[in-house]
Amino acid sequence: NAGVTQTPKFQVLKTGQSMTLQCAQDMNHEYMSWYRQDPGMGLRLIHYSVGAGITDQGEVPNGYNVSRSTTEDFPLRLLSAAPSQTSVYFCASSYSHPQRWVFGSGTQLSVL
Amino acid sequence: EDKVVQSPLSLVVHEGDTVTLNCSYEVTNFRSLLWYKQEKKAPTFLFMLTSSGIEKKSGRLSSILDKKELFSILNITATQTGDSAVYLCALLTRTSGSRLTFGEGTQLTVNP
Repeated sequence: NAGVTQTPKFQVLKTGQSMTLQCAQDMNHEYMSWYRQDPGMGLRLIHYSVGAGITDQGEVPNGYNVSRSTTEDFPLRLLSAAPSQTSVYFCASSYSHPQRWVFGSGTQLSVL
Repeated sequence: EDKVVQSPLSLVVHEGDTVTLNCSYEVTNFRSLLWYKQEKKAPTFLFMLTSSGIEKKSGRLSSILDKKELFSILNITATQTGDSAVYLCALLTRTSGSRLTFGEGTQLTVNP
């Protein structure tokens, strides 16, 4: 039981490049989310999903896309990277009830 | 808009001290409050609180919720250097569904 697995752990991009952050969970959790963490701002929700085929926007969705084709995977796509997207990204998953969210170890992303 | 405020933002203590971390909130349709510990990487779940006045306890850590005054506290007794971390408070509401709203976190440093 690996929990929530995020790859890569570190990534450096140039402005304008695109990439996908991977997230996989093996706990059969219905809910999955992506957060970004910036200094002094806590964790902010980017996108979330309540089940396969269902996604919705969070607090800061601009510049990011998601899809949920399977229960296990929830990739986050950066369409055209900008320096403002430099952050630490966390994926999390949970049962619908009770919602005790489990977090992945994060991806440190730098956009130059 | 839902709001979660943690205080203090930073705290430095000596081993053996007792600390109290605060989380106040302004939300509609409160569902539950969660506490997480974050050491360098993934936030790890500590407590989920849904009912007022019922203390949750795990070893030297305990937490309680006051739904009338809209706050929660996290107590750590006999602190150890391993307690050094960022402690995050997050809210779930009935209207937000599966979306966590986080506070900024409290950075706790325990010196030997």
